[in-house]
Amino acid sequence: ILNVEQSPQSLHVQEGDSTNFTCSFPSSNFYALHWYRWETAKSPEALFVMTLNGDEKKKGRISATLNTKEGYSYLYIKGSQPEDSATYLCAPNTGTASKLTFGTGTRLQVTL
Amino acid sequence: NAGVTQTPKFQVLKTGQSMTLQCAQDMNHNSMYWYRQDPGMGLRLIYYSASEGTTDKGEVPNGYNVSRLNKREFSLRLESAAPSQTSVYFCASSVRLAGWEQYFGPGTRLTVT
Repeated sequence: ILNVEQSPQSLHVQEGDSTNFTCSFPSSNFYALHWYRWETAKSPEALFVMTLNGDEKKKGRISATLNTKEGYSYLYIKGSQPEDSATYLCAPNTGTASKLTFGTGTRLQVTL
Repeated sequence: NAGVTQTPKFQVLKTGQSMTLQCAQDMNHNSMYWYRQDPGMGLRLIYYSASEGTTDKGEVPNGYNVSRLNKREFSLRLESAAPSQTSVYFCASSVRLAGWEQYFGPGTRLTVT
């Protein structure tokens, strides 16, 4: 079983704060790293799929970076809003390209 | 496009009963997956099907069977339900062209008493 670690487990910030989370994964047999956003009572939705070392992706106020050599990825949220409240999951593809192993997620709560 | 659909949305079973969870996708994806979600455990892969005609075990396959009926449909069967199988079950699909990005169904909430 692949060891995928996400930190912190949970985070509580105020509206307007910027924040970041970490995803650590084994660097061997790397194919891609996925980030998903999962709102309560909904299904996970993909944010980014990253494949290259040094990759940076951005979607609005959310961005992510990837370091495949050391096996980590950062997710940044700039100017958090209450609608950003969700659990953020990372999942590497290693070995079998179509199969993901999900971390347990970082639960973000943004309050006014 | 409906995306990924799952039936039923909710189900209550008694210990020892059997049932099949249905999943279908209309995106022409090759790969399909079944996950379970438990508090504090994240999403754990039960079984997956990389392509039509193939299935493989994931992290937690015990107590489950799957059938990839055709390219669209992937079902999950509980032969003899146990309280430990109380969970929310998600089906997902993906395709290489989208970098294996996974598209999830709405989930099935199963309670085994």
